[in-house]
Amino acid sequence: GAGVSQSPSNKVTEKGKDVELRCDPISGHTALYWYRQSLGQGLEFLIYFQGNSAPDKSGLPSDRFSAERTGGSVSTLTIQRTQQEDSAVYLCASSKTSGRASNTGELFFGEGSRLTVL
Amino acid sequence: AQSVAQPEDQVNVAEGNPLTVKCTYSVSGNPYLFWYVQYPNRGLQFLLKYITGDNLVKGSYGFEAEFNKSQTSFHLKKPSALVSDSALYFCAVRVPSGSARQLTFGSGTQLTVLP
Repeated sequence: GAGVSQSPSNKVTEKGKDVELRCDPISGHTALYWYRQSLGQGLEFLIYFQGNSAPDKSGLPSDRFSAERTGGSVSTLTIQRTQQEDSAVYLCASSKTSGRASNTGELFFGEGSRLTVL
Repeated sequence: AQSVAQPEDQVNVAEGNPLTVKCTYSVSGNPYLFWYVQYPNRGLQFLLKYITGDNLVKGSYGFEAEFNKSQTSFHLKKPSALVSDSALYFCAVRVPSGSARQLTFGSGTQLTVLP
């Protein structure tokens, strides 16, 4: 597509429920990132995928969070047993590559999925 | 460890006046520096970046930023603010040897341009 597409744009769920957030990156972008943006906070890195390499999961806040990327394209972020502190905007971004020489860091962001846990 | 500080949570400026959004950084070695803008209910958009060369970088929508190595700053500026510039601005930094995964973002500065 022309840009990074995320769905749903808004999700309200009850504490304890599982949620899935989807990201469709820009076609041809091999690197995909998930960030979390809480009110009044900066962007918190969660996880990143680069091609067929093992994902960097170092930013995931707990084992309730997981993500996968199928076929090197669409990614799904799953939050199990949601808690109120999970309420935030979840941003997905993609870039052409994560290689040192060719990527100077320009990321293309989706519009985010706003998650509200009641 | 690298870090970014945006000392002002909120900046207000009158339309037509110059604006400055401040950013300071801390890294080991030379930095790659970025500004992103987030309009209400939208994702972040890339504005400009400093990689090397001229310390004054020009970007989208008439914005520019000046890299100051001695002051470890990368302030965002615009000579004449527009109401439409009202948005949340993020500064980000990483080192050249790192990857985009290692971008560190500041906490953001809300810019409000008053008509």
